[in-house]
Amino acid sequence: NAGVTQTPKFQVLKTGQSMTLQCAQDMNHEYMSWYRQDPGMGLRLIHYSVGAGITDQGEVPNGYNVSRSTTEDFPLRLLSAAPSQTSVYFCASSPRAWVVGNEKLFFGSGTQLSVL
Amino acid sequence: ELKVEQNPLFLSMQEGKNYTIYCNYSTTSDRLYWYRQDPGKSLESLFVLLSNGAVKQEGRLMASLDTKARLSTLHITAAVHDLSATYFCAVDTGNQFYFGTGTSLTVIP
Repeated sequence: NAGVTQTPKFQVLKTGQSMTLQCAQDMNHEYMSWYRQDPGMGLRLIHYSVGAGITDQGEVPNGYNVSRSTTEDFPLRLLSAAPSQTSVYFCASSPRAWVVGNEKLFFGSGTQLSVL
Repeated sequence: ELKVEQNPLFLSMQEGKNYTIYCNYSTTSDRLYWYRQDPGKSLESLFVLLSNGAVKQEGRLMASLDTKARLSTLHITAAVHDLSATYFCAVDTGNQFYFGTGTSLTVIP
């Protein structure tokens, strides 16, 4: 079972470049989300989606775009990379749009991004 | 603004000792999560606590939830080196998850 798959694992960008971080899940989960992890700050929500065609902003959305054209895929786009976006990015999914019972987030393996 | 605070941020403990990690949160929530992260790895779910007074145990780890105090604890019993990792707590508002800053645990032989 693949679960949540993120690509690439590592990426180095120059300031101003654009790129897309890919996230795919094969569990038919309604909910998908992107987090960034910075030292001493835990994980902060960037964007999330409660289903195909529906996205919304989290705590730190500036500089990032998302779309959800299919249930499986939830790419994160950096339009013009800045050094402040150097971080580790995690994609996560959950079965339903609203958490019920003991449902939880399933995480991908992460993408380490450096912006020079 | 919803806040989730953990303490301590760093914890170094000897094998065989007991210790508790604390997680305070600022919103009403009946559900709290604990995750473990090994260096350079992803997050692995440890516990989902669903209601006030919930207690769950797995091996040397026991988690509890007091929703009235907005407090969860992760108790480590007789620590072993394999428990060295970063531990995160998190709460949700239905469709947004908020994580604590993490507690980096190092167990010293």
